[in-house]
Amino acid sequence: GDSVTQMEGPVTLSEEAFLTINCTYTATGYPSLFWYVQYPGEGLQLLLKATKADDKGSNKGFEATYRKETTSFHLEKGSVQVSDSAVYFCALISGTASKLTFGTGTRLQVTL
Amino acid sequence: DTAVSQTPKYLVTQMGNDKSIKCEQNLGHDTMYWYKQDSKKFLKIMFSYNNKELIINETVPNRFSPKSPDKAHLNLHINSLELGDSAVYFCASSQGPTSGGNNEQFFGPGTRLTVL
Repeated sequence: GDSVTQMEGPVTLSEEAFLTINCTYTATGYPSLFWYVQYPGEGLQLLLKATKADDKGSNKGFEATYRKETTSFHLEKGSVQVSDSAVYFCALISGTASKLTFGTGTRLQVTL
Repeated sequence: DTAVSQTPKYLVTQMGNDKSIKCEQNLGHDTMYWYKQDSKKFLKIMFSYNNKELIINETVPNRFSPKSPDKAHLNLHINSLELGDSAVYFCASSQGPTSGGNNEQFFGPGTRLTVL
């Protein structure tokens, strides 16, 4: 079945540091890939997505590139802020199914 | 205006009780979902309805019964609550069930269920 593997957290960074959260996946066919963010006490928000190989999703300074050859969709940001502290989830949808398969989430803590 | 709303936000109850969680979306979407987030933040789909018809039913105990009175509402009823049911339950909606990643899922704020 489909699965998503994310790096273990928590990740603790100083403000303005570079962020990478690794995500790899296993799926049949060509899945669509997503990053969702969950701020403390809130629901999930879509951060960015990519629907085909070599697509780059970007939003709010975050980027992720769909790499079919390495089955990866790593999340990056050049300079994190305290307000980026949240839990980040990598997810996929494959085939015609509409259910999201999530990774385990990575907690990011950004300090001053 | 809240796009996907859930009630209640918090629910504390005793083992063995029956409880319901309600979800409403005002986005005009055709498809709604229930996800469960456990204490380790792991998220897993439970059910999905499209135009009031059940289309996804993962391996969930039959104590959990979703009900969709219309396409804007998807409620979750849980019978004989157990300690392991304690979790945050998220409702979500999307335009349609297919087209994969072209249908963004919008999530509600979650309902934190605590079973004592």
